[in-house]
Amino acid sequence: SQTIHQWPATLVQPVGSPLSLECTVEGTSNPNLYWYRQAAGRGLQLLFYSVGIGQISSEVPQNLSASRPQDRQFILSSKKLLLSDSGFYLCAWSWTGELFFGEGSRLTVL
Amino acid sequence: AQTVTQSQPEMSVQEAETVTLSCTYDTSESDYYLFWYKQPPSRQMILVIRQEAYKQQNATENRFSVNFQKAAKSFSLKISDSQLGDAAMYFCAYFPGAGSYQLTFGKGTKLSVIP
Repeated sequence: SQTIHQWPATLVQPVGSPLSLECTVEGTSNPNLYWYRQAAGRGLQLLFYSVGIGQISSEVPQNLSASRPQDRQFILSSKKLLLSDSGFYLCAWSWTGELFFGEGSRLTVL
Repeated sequence: AQTVTQSQPEMSVQEAETVTLSCTYDTSESDYYLFWYKQPPSRQMILVIRQEAYKQQNATENRFSVNFQKAAKSFSLKISDSQLGDAAMYFCAYFPGAGSYQLTFGKGTKLSVIP
């Protein structure tokens, strides 16, 4: 069966520091991969998605970036975090439309 | 562009009772998929139920069922025999189908279950 994991689960970072969130999928190949952000009490905002290795589509211009160095690995990064980057980040994978989400990573930027 | 509207930001239900969460969407497509996701306080999003637009029969998953009205572009979720563990945010989502990679989510409905 397919599983998805992301880490770290919780992160507290100072403004201006770098960020790296990692997501891996097991039990499937060539999945579509997604990064979403959810601000407190808000809905889901699609940040990036990828349909293959090295291919990244960005939905929102910002200081975040994503990379897909391997088929089942998706990384969300920032060189310098802003206060507005705080939120709950969710990685997800899909094949036929329905998304399967990871456990989420809570980022607090102070 | 497709839009998904959940008009009830918050709802509550007594334990063991039935509650219906509303969702409407806008699309010009004839074939598409609709989903309901649950996000409990643990925050991991869980797929509750899926409906293919070409199927007239409403999808059901145990205590969860949908009322899919294609002409009205309505996709409501009914939870029967509500349990404390049903307390969560519920998101309705639309997917156009083949050739697309993105789901469109509603803003969510927060469901509280009263003991």
